[in-house]
Amino acid sequence: EPEVTQTPSHQVTQMGQEVILRCVPISNHLYFYWYRQILGQKVEFLVSFYNNEISEKSEIFDDQFSVERPDGSNFTLKIRSTKLEDSAMYFCASSERQGSGNQPQHFGDGTRLSIL
Amino acid sequence: GEDVEQSLFLSVREGDSSVINCTYTDSSSTYLYWYKQEPGAGLQLLTYIFSNMDMKQDQRLTVLLNKKDKHLSLRIADTQTGDSAIYFCAERDGDTGFQKLVFGTGTRLLVSP
Repeated sequence: EPEVTQTPSHQVTQMGQEVILRCVPISNHLYFYWYRQILGQKVEFLVSFYNNEISEKSEIFDDQFSVERPDGSNFTLKIRSTKLEDSAMYFCASSERQGSGNQPQHFGDGTRLSIL
Repeated sequence: GEDVEQSLFLSVREGDSSVINCTYTDSSSTYLYWYKQEPGAGLQLLTYIFSNMDMKQDQRLTVLLNKKDKHLSLRIADTQTGDSAIYFCAERDGDTGFQKLVFGTGTRLLVSP
């Protein structure tokens, strides 16, 4: 069964550094998402992306964050000038389409980001 | 904003039924989902229910939806030790055409032999 893959599984970065989290969505999917889960807290929506632009973002997704689809397969989340509070598990998800009807999101295994 | 709440912990014996409960606040929710997270793994979609349904059965899984009370439950029949995991309830934001999911806190299910 096709799956969403994320790399690396664990990223350790010094505070203030930039980090790029990578995701390869399911190949025929058109909609891509990032969520994060701070330890002990809920899974929170960050951003959705379609047709090479952001379709929706949460208030968490400020100027520190950016997303990109640099080629036909990868979807990346960049976090600039990382802070201690950015430490979390970051999940990538993809879905075939949006709109009416059920288009479930399929999640990757996550990247655990640790900021020191 | 939308909110989804779940109890944090459930412990059952192998072979018993497990019932995991969830409440939500968004009356415009269209789809509600159950995801399973095993240790060190991602979120695995288990099942979902459309908001105009009140029950859905999928093998050992039964989802019940009380839309009036905004209450969702997941029943796992004949629970096995391999079912031990964290179970997340999530609702799809119905206010927009997009598919942002709002998650509950997750219920840790522990199945003892």
